[in-house]
Amino acid sequence: AQSVTQLDSQVPVFEEAPVELRCNYSSSVSVYLFWYVQYPNQGLQLLLKYLSGSTLVKGINGFEAEFNKSQTSFHLRKPSVHISDTAEYFCAVSDPNAGGTSYGKLTFGQGTILTVHP
Amino acid sequence: GAVVSQHPSWVICKSGTSVKIECRSLDFQATTMFWYRQFPKQSLMLMATSNEGSKATYEQGVEKDKFLINHASLTLSTLTVTSAHPEDSSFYICSAPLPGTSGRAGQYFGPGTRLTVT
Repeated sequence: AQSVTQLDSQVPVFEEAPVELRCNYSSSVSVYLFWYVQYPNQGLQLLLKYLSGSTLVKGINGFEAEFNKSQTSFHLRKPSVHISDTAEYFCAVSDPNAGGTSYGKLTFGQGTILTVHP
Repeated sequence: GAVVSQHPSWVICKSGTSVKIECRSLDFQATTMFWYRQFPKQSLMLMATSNEGSKATYEQGVEKDKFLINHASLTLSTLTVTSAHPEDSSFYICSAPLPGTSGRAGQYFGPGTRLTVT
């Protein structure tokens, strides 16, 4: 079974500072990896995804993430954050080869609340 | 881009009554939709997979008779919480896979429905 661990439940940073949100996954098979952002009382918006190819993935709003297979990690980074980046961020995985009732299923981490202070 | 809508966005109901939540895919067809439940400050928990033209697939521990799912068309799935109780109060989110990918390449999420049972 897959599992996702987001190592930090809350990350406070100052505006214009760099940030890294950590995500580790456990899976014995290949995975698809995703980062989603959730603003208060809203659904989730896809930031970026890794399916295959280059391990450095660029997403929307200046975010990027690096897939590290040996460390089973997919950390999210942004070199300079804005107040508007304050939100909760979720890392998720899916199994490319899943079938049956697991087809397309996402497993989410616990979420990291990013708070950007002025 | 593709959008998923939910209705209502917020509902308050009395204990013992039933509540229906609609999830619609706009501008694309979704043979599969996913229903999640999110408690405050927690991650998303997959409740069930809604399949157009067939029965929904429920996750372990989710009561099928309490959370009725109907995927009536290629653009509409409904979740009915029957005989609601205060412990059913939660944020319910639906999602649909990116067209042509069956969920393996990410999902579009609805804005969520906040259910409060008094």
